[in-house]
Amino acid sequence: AQTVTQSQPEMSVQEAETVTLSCTYDTSESNYYLFWYKQPPSRQMILVIRQEAYKQQNATENRFSVNFQKAAKSFSLKISDSQLGDTAMYFCAFDPYGQNFVFGPGTRLSVLP
Amino acid sequence: NAGVTQTPKFRILKIGQSMTLQCTQDMNHNYMYWYRQDPGMGLKLIYYSVGAGITDKGEVPNGYNVSRSTTEDFPLRLELAAPSQTSVYFCASSSPQGARFDRTDTQYFGPGTRLTVL
Repeated sequence: AQTVTQSQPEMSVQEAETVTLSCTYDTSESNYYLFWYKQPPSRQMILVIRQEAYKQQNATENRFSVNFQKAAKSFSLKISDSQLGDTAMYFCAFDPYGQNFVFGPGTRLSVLP
Repeated sequence: NAGVTQTPKFRILKIGQSMTLQCTQDMNHNYMYWYRQDPGMGLKLIYYSVGAGITDKGEVPNGYNVSRSTTEDFPLRLELAAPSQTSVYFCASSSPQGARFDRTDTQYFGPGTRLTVL
C-alpha cells in the first residue's frame, strides 16, 4: 500500500525564521507527483507547492521550497521568512498513479510573533 | 470564476436521516473527488469521478453514494446517517493534461462542509 508519513505532529517557529517540515512516502512507482497543501483555520485546502518525481531540480514557490530525495523517498518543505499567515496545518500528499491522492496525517505549524 | 463551491457549509443530522452534499466546479475539470477529514486526521478519499457518467469508489465509500450527470456537478449522498459520518467533507476537482506523466495533477478544493450526526 502507498503511505505518506509526517513525523512531526506539531511545530512552531518564530516570525521571520526558517522552518522545515518533513515527509516520507512509500511506493514502488518510479514516476509520480508530490504536493504540499496548507489548511488554515478557514479549513480550505490550498496548494503550496508541487514536485514531479522525474525532475531532479527541487521546486520553489517564493518563500516555499522543497528538498526532494527520490532514493530516500523524502519530500521536506522549507518555509523561509515565516509569517503569521503561515500558521496552518500542512499536509504532504502523494499521487502514485491515476488521480487518487494519498495524504499524510498533517503537521500543525504555529508561527509565533 | 468561482472554482469549487460546496453547499451547505454546516449541517446537523439526526441518526438515520439522509442528505445530499452539493459540489459544483466551473473550471471544466474532468476529474472530481469527495474526501472526508476526521478531527486531527488527514483526508481520506470517499468517491471520485473521471468524467460525466463515470464514478468509482475510493478508500472509504461505505454509507455514501455519488452521481455525475454533468461535468460541473458531483453530489455526495448520505443514506441513513450515522455518528461515524461526523466529519468535514471536501470536494475537489482536477484536469489531467496530456499523457500520464506529463500532466497537471493539482487538485482544487472547495471550502468544505462540516457535518455533525447526533
